[in-house]
Amino acid sequence: QQQVKQSPQSLIVQKGGISIINCAYENTAFDYFPWYQQFPGKGPALLIAIRPDVSEKKEGRFTISFNKSAKQFSLHIMDSQPGDSATYFCAATLSGAGSYQLTFGKGTKLSVIP
Amino acid sequence: SAVISQKPSRDICQRGTSLTIQCQVDSQVTMMFWYRQQPGQSLTLIATANQGSEATYESGFVIDKFPISRPNLTFSTLTVSNMSPEDSSIYLCSVGSKNQPQHFGDGTRLSIL
Repeated sequence: QQQVKQSPQSLIVQKGGISIINCAYENTAFDYFPWYQQFPGKGPALLIAIRPDVSEKKEGRFTISFNKSAKQFSLHIMDSQPGDSATYFCAATLSGAGSYQLTFGKGTKLSVIP
Repeated sequence: SAVISQKPSRDICQRGTSLTIQCQVDSQVTMMFWYRQQPGQSLTLIATANQGSEATYESGFVIDKFPISRPNLTFSTLTVSNMSPEDSSIYLCSVGSKNQPQHFGDGTRLSIL
């Protein structure tokens, strides 16, 4: 049973546009929600993360929106650039430790075209 | 964040052989994990490497197939045993500590002929 559902599977955005990736989770005990960015040939790199006590977190062009009642969270990439082209994974974890038993979504392949 | 080195970065192996993958961290970490990522797919947790005790395996993964060692707080190995083409995948090491997010190495790309 997949506990974190991610959509879309792939996304094509024009340079300068907004990229939006959505995730939904089932386990209400999850208490830490990171996003990872993965370039070909590299391991996933932590991009931004949020805890359920806040509804939004922004770091530069990257924003996480969190809706606890709907059990959904999303990544917004503002002013998308070709260098943002990568695969993005949302994840969720228990315990509040932020580092134990990550459950990943299936990933979204983002292509930003000039 | 911790610097994680994985060796080898890639390998091509014969069916029936075994390969040991090393994960070295530049600082002591509480938790080390091993993941498998099949081409174009998400990450699946194989096991948590526990320092000084046996690894904790996820459903579908067994110690005989994926023996893991963790002799200290900065090093772990994953062995893929008796390999078959279905084991062709990327194997990733990650590290974490309490209240800190997991960070990943760049992985080992394994192909089985």
